[in-house]
Amino acid sequence: QVQLVESGGGVVQPGRSLRLACEASGFKFTSFSIHWVRQAPGKGLEWLSVISYDGRNKYYADSVKGRFMISRDNSKNTLYLEMTSLRADDTAVYHCAREGRFGELDYWGLGTLVIVSS
Amino acid sequence: DIQLTQSPPFLSASVGDRVTLTCRASQGIRSSLAWYQQKSGKAPNLLIYGASTLQSGVPSRFSGSGSGTEFTLTITNLQPEDFATYYCQHLNSYPRTFGQGTKVEIK
Repeated sequence: QVQLVESGGGVVQPGRSLRLACEASGFKFTSFSIHWVRQAPGKGLEWLSVISYDGRNKYYADSVKGRFMISRDNSKNTLYLEMTSLRADDTAVYHCAREGRFGELDYWGLGTLVIVSS
Repeated sequence: DIQLTQSPPFLSASVGDRVTLTCRASQGIRSSLAWYQQKSGKAPNLLIYGASTLQSGVPSRFSGSGSGTEFTLTITNLQPEDFATYYCQHLNSYPRTFGQGTKVEIK
């Protein structure tokens, strides 16, 4: 079955960097675009970024553009999110999600918690 | 960027009720809209895409309609497991913004 498992979260100081990973299984990873979505405590969903199936096309939300970078390693079925210059308002659960045929996010990981605090 | 406004933010309803949630887009997005259900502490779950296509495995009491700028998610015969927060997301362009959510609570 389709599985997406995030890792790499933790407590990090403001201004520091962190890399999240999302390991995929149960489907042909190289055929799908994958997204990152986050949810701050008690808040709604915030779309962050997407990378195309071949890694050539990437898009970002304004809130993370220039600070976060999405990438993928198709040989490892793994998606990454490199987060730099972290701020307190980046504190959230970070989910990866697979994009279906019509752009919908049809499978989601459980998420990994990032806390930015001194 | 396209903004999505969901209403109402909170909705109190009883088991067996029929409820309608609304999502309005700041510009036309044809039928490029999805609805998700999220229960506390869980990942979101896709309910509807293409504004009205039910995701496989989702109960038929959920239905979606609309196009352009106004969309609705209707739940008929509300069940205890349906009390959750519902989000719309446009699929028309980037950034793929979400609405702020509607929380459906037990009356």
